[in-house]
Amino acid sequence: NAGVTQTPKFRVLKTGQSMTLLCAQDMNHEYMYWYRQDPGMGLRLIHYSVGEGTTAKGEVPDGYNVSRLKKQNFLLGLESAAPSQTSVYFCASSYRASRHGYTFGSGTRLTVV
Amino acid sequence: AQSVTQLDSQVPVFEEAPVELRCNYSSSYSPSLFWYVQHPNKGLQLLLKYTSAATLVKGINGFEAEFNKSQTSFHLRKPSVHISDTAEYFCAVRPNAGGTSYGKLTFGQGTILTVHP
Repeated sequence: NAGVTQTPKFRVLKTGQSMTLLCAQDMNHEYMYWYRQDPGMGLRLIHYSVGEGTTAKGEVPDGYNVSRLKKQNFLLGLESAAPSQTSVYFCASSYRASRHGYTFGSGTRLTVV
Repeated sequence: AQSVTQLDSQVPVFEEAPVELRCNYSSSYSPSLFWYVQHPNKGLQLLLKYTSAATLVKGINGFEAEFNKSQTSFHLRKPSVHISDTAEYFCAVRPNAGGTSYGKLTFGQGTILTVHP
């Protein structure tokens, strides 16, 4: 099925460990996004990309890095995980035109202990 | 810059009753507006969107929303809810212009709708 695929779906990390979350879309969308969702805070934008090879900071970028080497993939990295990064992470993609909404992945539930 | 305020964090309602989830927005540029639904432990699904056409927008599962420019509101309504509508609902705004704001969706904090039998 066409859409946005996130891997892994669940992960437990120890403080200080690193990991990479992978997002892949097969809809030829130009824009891709990483959000984190925390109770009572809605979705907050971490980083986004408006095209292959470009990335930009969102609302809460500290502690995260991203890369978009291919149009269909958007990677989110945690270099040294902290308990404050315990969250549910969502990737999304969209066409450039603002009349389009986003297509979301099913999320990654990350726990940092 | 843009922002979204969802006026109710939780809305309890009985099955088959009508419901309205309130959303106010601000945007420096003409916006597109969206409502998403998130069922427990699931991703976000698009319910409906306003993109400068008709002000009354119909979506999936019997939901509709009305864009009110003068009140900067985009309230979501359903005339008769079902148990399966229990979920969290997010209002979001995306500006149609505006440099670095262009293309970025800003979400409200969510409204948890609980439908009781």
